[in-house]
Amino acid sequence: EVQLVESGGGLVQPGGSLRLSCAASGFTFSSYAMSWVRQAPGKGLEWVSAISGGGTSTHYGDSVKGRFTISRDNSKNTLYLQMNSLRAEDTAVYYCAKGRISVGGTGTRLGFDYWGQGILVTVSS
Amino acid sequence: QSALTQPASVSESPGQSITISCTGTSSDVGGYNYVSWYQHHPGKAPKLMIYDVSNRPSGVSNRFSGSKSGNTASLTISGLQAEDEADYYCSSYTSSTTLVFGGGTKLTVL
Repeated sequence: EVQLVESGGGLVQPGGSLRLSCAASGFTFSSYAMSWVRQAPGKGLEWVSAISGGGTSTHYGDSVKGRFTISRDNSKNTLYLQMNSLRAEDTAVYYCAKGRISVGGTGTRLGFDYWGQGILVTVSS
Repeated sequence: QSALTQPASVSESPGQSITISCTGTSSDVGGYNYVSWYQHHPGKAPKLMIYDVSNRPSGVSNRFSGSKSGNTASLTISGLQAEDEADYYCSSYTSSTTLVFGGGTKLTVL
């Protein structure tokens, strides 16, 4: 059974940093691209970032480019999102999501067939 | 990248059909057959309902179907059931190799 479990969320001050983790199980983690998607309170889904299965290719949404870094440790079956220079508008539930099929690239074409339950990040003083 | 345009809300009675539109540009929806649709019950993980415009993942009811014409994709749900009440989001691959979601549509089954 595929499972994705996010951790590392919480309250952080504006300008601060936070690292999210997503522990994956139930599939060959290194074969699949992964993404982070967020949902601000009362708002819709927003794609944040994606990474290829091998970790060599990454893409970012305009709102986080230069501040967030996606990475993965395939030996630990874990996806990460390092978030720096956080702003109030980064407040959201963050989901990790698995690419639908095992192909090259960051998987942004493919759709996401499994999602975690989400973790709340609150940026406030 | 601007969000794709979806109606904020739609409503219909049980047993009826509903279509949710998702309008983008030639740089996303119109340029690629990589539109997906997700069902999201608040507090739960989103669920993939349609991928590549019109394909259903295994286990998704055939009451859900997708299509595209020009820059607009559509999700149709037939034989509406109470459990279909949820938020629905479209997404599309873009010419920048990124992904963009729609603003979401709240479906109410009356």
